[in-house]
Amino acid sequence: KAGVTQTPRYLIKTRGQQVTLSCSPISGHRSVSWYQQTPGQGLQFLFEYFSETQRNKGNFPGRFSGRQFSNSRSEMNVSTLELGDSALYLCASTISQSDQETQYFGPGTRLLVL
Amino acid sequence: AQSVTQLGSHVSVSEGALVLLRCNYSSSVPPYLFWYVQYPNQGLQLLLKYTSAATLVKGINGFEAEFKKSETSFHLTKPSAHMSDAAEYFCAVSDRGAQKLVFGQGTRLTINP
Repeated sequence: KAGVTQTPRYLIKTRGQQVTLSCSPISGHRSVSWYQQTPGQGLQFLFEYFSETQRNKGNFPGRFSGRQFSNSRSEMNVSTLELGDSALYLCASTISQSDQETQYFGPGTRLLVL
Repeated sequence: AQSVTQLGSHVSVSEGALVLLRCNYSSSVPPYLFWYVQYPNQGLQLLLKYTSAATLVKGINGFEAEFKKSETSFHLTKPSAHMSDAAEYFCAVSDRGAQKLVFGQGTRLTINP
């Protein structure tokens, strides 16, 4: 079974631009979560989607948004990019809503904002 | 709210020596706890998880962790370090009722030959 895939793997943008990142979960998984990883702040939860609905949201500004499609694929969008948005963005999928289920992570998208 | 503290941002051990990575958690309810490993330029890979069954949890690659409620700890150990264990390790607690992991700051493990 294929793992979580994320595209693109690397991205360079300039301040003020917007970016869309994509995540395809493991087949059969319906929950997708997004995390931001930076050297200073570590791993921080962005949001989680289940059955096309956002169930939980972390403490990030409204510039960060996401959505999930009927096939469970998810996208996250960051508008008006800032230098501080440079980070590794990780997507994780889970088969169900249960909080004891393992989250399986993708390889991440590394975003550099210049 | 749950939180995780990993003691020691860097740990260095010799090949063949015991690996001990420390994790303490704070939770108002019985927690679900996880250890993940991250190799350079890769995502996170689950090593093991505790979900209120056996307190001693065995994971992949020879790692294990023991849940100690009285100490609010979930330390990760491996009897004999291998060069391939060099990576960053993250302890995480699951926010109950949510698919949301709260991570510690990570511990970078270096293995000396």
